[in-house]
Amino acid sequence: AQSVAQPEDQVNVAEGNPLTVKCTYSVSGNPYLFWYVQYPNRGLQFLLKYITGDNLVKGSYGFEAEFNKSQTSFHLKKPSALVSDSALYFCAVRDRVGGKLIFGQGTELSVKP
Amino acid sequence: EAGVVQSPRYKIIEKKQPVAFWCNPISGHNTLYWYLQNLGQGPELLIRYENEEAVDDSQLPKDRFSAERLKGVDSTLKIQPAELGDSAVYLCASSLGRGGGQFFGPGTRLTVL
Repeated sequence: AQSVAQPEDQVNVAEGNPLTVKCTYSVSGNPYLFWYVQYPNRGLQFLLKYITGDNLVKGSYGFEAEFNKSQTSFHLKKPSALVSDSALYFCAVRDRVGGKLIFGQGTELSVKP
Repeated sequence: EAGVVQSPRYKIIEKKQPVAFWCNPISGHNTLYWYLQNLGQGPELLIRYENEEAVDDSQLPKDRFSAERLKGVDSTLKIQPAELGDSAVYLCASSLGRGGGQFFGPGTRLTVL
């Protein structure tokens, strides 16, 4: 069965510092991996995806993610965090047969001034 | 371009009452998804439509939940009767085909008293 895990419930970062939100996956075959962000009382917004190609994927709002096949990880990163980045972040893998997204439990990112 | 539209945004009902949620996907998106998001967890797929056909409803509790997408455009998800444990956010998403990126609506937050 395919799954993703986000080992940290919460990540705290000071504004201007780099941030990392961790995600590991378990799939058979090549994974299709995604990051979504959820602001309070709003739906999930797509940030970036990895399908194939370069291991470093660039996405919206200055975020990027690094696909590491040997470590089965897909960590989300940003060089300089903003207070407005504070939100709930979800990693997901797409089921290759049915197309549904299988989400991790989410990581609450808090960026303090 | 309008995003995925959901209504109502919030709904409070007493247990054993029926409730319905409506979703209008992005124009041209033939694939529609209903996800359930419990507090502090990632979304989980309830049902996926390809046009008007429900192609994956394995996670839908069919004793009380039903869904329809009669003309292959908008969709309704119904619960009858609602139980306390149904309190959650119900998210609708759409994509251009099952391999396309999924765009999420703002969700309907259901509270069952």
